[in-house]
Amino acid sequence: KNQVEQSPQSLIILEGKNCTLQCNYTVSPFSNLRWYKQDTGRGPVSLTIMTFSENTKSNGRYTATLDADTKQSSLHITASQLSDSASYICVVIEGGNEKLTFGTGTRLTIIP
Amino acid sequence: DTAVSQTPKYLVTQMGNDKSIKCEQNLGHDTMYWYKQDSKKFLKIMFSYNNKELIINETVPNRFSPKSPDKAHLNLHINSLELGDSAVYFCASSQDMAGAFSYYEQYFGPGTRLTVT
Repeated sequence: KNQVEQSPQSLIILEGKNCTLQCNYTVSPFSNLRWYKQDTGRGPVSLTIMTFSENTKSNGRYTATLDADTKQSSLHITASQLSDSASYICVVIEGGNEKLTFGTGTRLTIIP
Repeated sequence: DTAVSQTPKYLVTQMGNDKSIKCEQNLGHDTMYWYKQDSKKFLKIMFSYNNKELIINETVPNRFSPKSPDKAHLNLHINSLELGDSAVYFCASSQDMAGAFSYYEQYFGPGTRLTVT
């Protein structure tokens, strides 16, 4: 069964610090992987889309990495801000049938 | 301008009732989706429509019926509501199928919190 597991489940860090969120998946065949940010009470917003051939992709202070061999991805947030407080969801799209498998997310809280 | 809008934002109703949630996108996208997010924040796709045709229909009860009057609208009708239907329902759209053969961004609506009592 295809799965997407994220860790940690929740994370609290001080404003200005860096952090890294992990996403491990078993989805196969692989097409692409997406990271979403979901603020409380809002819909998810796309941060990055990574294909098989991409190892790293940045979007401002967010940098996603992908290791398709080990089926792992990470989202690194640099110089965190209070507005980064949100849930971060990893989504993996299966090749062939276009099936999306969502992770359960990491709840990130930035404290001043 | 709101790209993907949903109404209502909150919906409280009793078991056994029938209700609808409306979704509209003004992005000119060809594909729209309905997702369910449960209390554990787990998102699961329910339906996908491409140019008014049903493309993905995950295993959901027949009580749920999507209706797409045109490319810009995808409404969700729920019959005989049950306690387990309580969740947040998100509508989303993308230029084309956000899947294996395309890498289009999905844009989500603000969600509709459904509470069944």
